[in-house]
Amino acid sequence: QSVLTQPPSVSAAPGQKVTISCSGSSSNIGDNYVSWFQHVPRTAPKLLIYDSKNRLPGISDRFSGSRSGTSATLGISGLQPGDEADYYCGTWDTFLSAYVFGTGTKVTVL
Amino acid sequence: QVQLVQSGAEVKEPGASVKVSCKASGYTFTNYDINWVRQATGQGLEWLGWMNVNSGNTGNAQKFQGRVTMTRDTSINTAFMELSSLRFEDTAIYYCTRAPAKYCKKNGCYGGYNWFDPWGQGTQVTVSS
Repeated sequence: QSVLTQPPSVSAAPGQKVTISCSGSSSNIGDNYVSWFQHVPRTAPKLLIYDSKNRLPGISDRFSGSRSGTSATLGISGLQPGDEADYYCGTWDTFLSAYVFGTGTKVTVL
Repeated sequence: QVQLVQSGAEVKEPGASVKVSCKASGYTFTNYDINWVRQATGQGLEWLGWMNVNSGNTGNAQKFQGRVTMTRDTSINTAFMELSSLRFEDTAIYYCTRAPAKYCKKNGCYGGYNWFDPWGQGTQVTVSS
């Protein structure tokens, strides 16, 4: 029932790169900035990217974000075992007057 | 450092209410909003609502209309989220998180959120008979 769609899972070997897509609409991604969060279940989620492409201070430059039209993308390069987690996109939906999260993507390091 | 510390785990019966607290430190409490998010086991993140700490204005997801109440006590830098008429499906970990303050005027608050940071450690709420 989430309005933002992500792939359920992505995987790659250590050192490789993965990209996670986040598909929305004109009332959310098309109209507002996107954030990306890293979440290990049962721990506090962690903000990685804000304003669609800006890394939070202290976040590795292996993480990158972009937005085009009604979609956004998170890239993780130089994949490390510690990157295994669930990743969520999120943004404000102007029509709903609500914050919406993506469906979440599980990253596995092979 | 900026920190949000939440209250401990709760077990409630169906139909009861639960009130979760979120104590802020390391920043000026009234200069930011607090949002509430939950995650049920095996599910994704779900947004419940927001509160402008300075004005006390709130807004919530349509799904929780009439069941969620967000308040604050600025004297102790603490925000509260109360969820009433609990159902089994409300069993989840509830998180508070800081956000930039909305622009608020007499007739309401406007705009969305560009970030949520940091997050509280989470409060497990279990609804069980």
